[in-house]
Amino acid sequence: QSALTQPASVSGSPGQSITISCTGTSSDVGSYNLVSWYQLHPGKAPKLMIYEASKRPSGISNRFSGSKSGNTASLTISGLQAEDEADYYCCSYAVSSTVIFGGGTKLTVL
Amino acid sequence: QVQLQQSGPGLVKPSQTLSLTCAISGDSVSSNSTVWSWIRQSPSRGLEWLGRTYYRSKWYNDYAVSVKSRITINPDTSKNQFSLQLNSVTPEDTAVYYCARGNYAFAIWGQGTMVMVSS
Repeated sequence: QSALTQPASVSGSPGQSITISCTGTSSDVGSYNLVSWYQLHPGKAPKLMIYEASKRPSGISNRFSGSKSGNTASLTISGLQAEDEADYYCCSYAVSSTVIFGGGTKLTVL
Repeated sequence: QVQLQQSGPGLVKPSQTLSLTCAISGDSVSSNSTVWSWIRQSPSRGLEWLGRTYYRSKWYNDYAVSVKSRITINPDTSKNQFSLQLNSVTPEDTAVYYCARGNYAFAIWGQGTMVMVSS
């Protein structure tokens, strides 16, 4: 199984919106609505931001939204803030009851 | 409030076995509705799911293909915890290891254990 494909880096200015894509195959993203997104700050455990492609856990800002179409899922962050600067990983349930992560995207807030 | 507390050595010699434990508070390792997973993070590989254990009238395990021949995840009902054993480690297994609650979405994580494989 290969990792899901994410852009290595994205950037945006405070207040702007950015979107991070996550491309998989018909064996993972395309077959299940079970995509999740994680925010990683250095030295901290990953934080769940989106689950089941578009649902937000309690306490997560509505500036974060998720969607999925075909084999590609997306995370959109609107109204960028300095604290959003972090690494973001997508994750999908996959065939044979396994789980696969993306390669990660570094978000820089300019 | 569910919390996961990890323990285990931070240094393992090549070819030896990496062993970590994740103690659960606020939930049960034997819950019929919960899944317990191990995930690792390294600069070269990013996040990598390693496997899971869960109880549905009997115990089940699923493992990532990349480590399937070397990994064992075991529940310990007497201590309400679960463990990770990874055999025949190499420097490529150097990573931060996390335990987490969840099957395909992981909302609760342990604090992470940095494990270095080095002689």
